Amino acid sequence: GQQLNQSPQSMFIQEGEDVSMNCTSSSIFNTWLWYKQDPGEGPVLLIALYKAGELTSNGRLTAQFGITRKDSFLNISASIPSDVGIYFCAGLGGGADGLTFGKGTHLIIQP
Amino acid sequence: DTEVTQTPKHLVMGMTNKKSLKCEQHMGHRAMYWYKQKAKKPPELMFVYSYEKLSINESVPSRFSPECPNSSLLNLHLHALQPEDSALYLCASSQAPQGAGISYEQYFGPGTRLTVT
Repeated sequence: GQQLNQSPQSMFIQEGEDVSMNCTSSSIFNTWLWYKQDPGEGPVLLIALYKAGELTSNGRLTAQFGITRKDSFLNISASIPSDVGIYFCAGLGGGADGLTFGKGTHLIIQP
Repeated sequence: DTEVTQTPKHLVMGMTNKKSLKCEQHMGHRAMYWYKQKAKKPPELMFVYSYEKLSINESVPSRFSPECPNSSLLNLHLHALQPEDSALYLCASSQAPQGAGISYEQYFGPGTRLTVT
């Protein structure tokens, strides 16, 4: 099946630092989505990207849909403690009806 | 409003029990999904309902039986589960099923934490 390569697997940062994570795929997707999941909760949609090259912001979050339609990145500026969690990228439209997820990036903020 | 609700929040069941998970959305979405998520792993697709009809079954064992009574409700009936079925079960919905060149973002519920003893 399709796979998304998401990196890094985990990040240990200081509060106030900027964060960057990305996903790459061997397949083309029509839509890229970024979710955040807290322990014991469902994934919450952060940003949806629909067009190749699209750059979208949501507060301190910025994400881009790669021009080749095979990659996307998510940046978080000036991290705060509530940013802790697991971030998943997901692709839609690569031939499957459900979401194809990356393996997640576990963000840990050190005091 | 992008809320998907799921009940119960937690469920513990024996291997001989029959139980059901429930999911509800009032966004007028016409596609609904069941995912299974094991600890520290991404969600895995189980079933897709498009316009209240089952369109995708990702080779899920028959001990899991989905049902879509109407466009707002989605159930997952459980029977004779195994301990390895313990997981977080997530429901999601989207405006419509994926079409040719058209994709709609999916919104997830909070999940049901299932433990099979």
